[in-house]
Amino acid sequence: EFQLVESGGGLVQPGGSLRLSCVASGFTFSSYGMNWVRQAPGKGLEWVSYVTGTSSTIYYADSVKGRFTISRDNAKNSLYLQMNSLRAEDTAVYYCARLYCSSTDCRFDFWGQGTLVTVSS
Amino acid sequence: EIVMTQSPATLSVSPGERATLSCRASQSVSSKLAWYQQKPGQAPRLLIYGASTRATGIPARFSGSGSGTEFTLTISSLQSEDFAVYYCQQYNNWPPYTFGQGTKLEIK
Repeated sequence: EFQLVESGGGLVQPGGSLRLSCVASGFTFSSYGMNWVRQAPGKGLEWVSYVTGTSSTIYYADSVKGRFTISRDNAKNSLYLQMNSLRAEDTAVYYCARLYCSSTDCRFDFWGQGTLVTVSS
Repeated sequence: EIVMTQSPATLSVSPGERATLSCRASQSVSSKLAWYQQKPGQAPRLLIYGASTRATGIPARFSGSGSGTEFTLTISSLQSEDFAVYYCQQYNNWPPYTFGQGTKLEIK
């Protein structure tokens, strides 16, 4: 059974840092691109960042570029999001999501349960 | 950046009836369109990808249609477990992947 388990969320002051983790099981982690997607309280979904299986390509949303860093350790089946210079507007549940690609299509086919990040003084 | 617009924001439907949710893209996304269902306190769940292909384990009462800029998610006979928020997402032109703002499907 596929599983993605996020951790590392919590309360942090504006300007602070936090590192999120997502541990995968039940599939060959290194074969899949992975994403972080966030959801502010009562709001919709916002894509944050993407990394390929080999970490050769990385993308960020403009809202986090220069502040957040995505990385992965395939030996540990783990995905990370280092978040620096946090702002109140970064408050959200952060989900990791697997990108599954067939020959003709890609989709976010599996999501973790999320971890809540609260930025407040 | 492609902007995804969903309508209506809230849809009230009785159990057993049909629900039709709409999603419009600000420019063509071909058929690179997915639908997700999200229940309170839960992660999103993939329903439809490629605009019309049901994901594994998704009941046949869920169907997707459309291409280009106009898309529809239809739930043919609403069950109690279908009342949730639904999001569309384009993945034709990325980054960024972009989502609609969601449609809340509520019990009438």
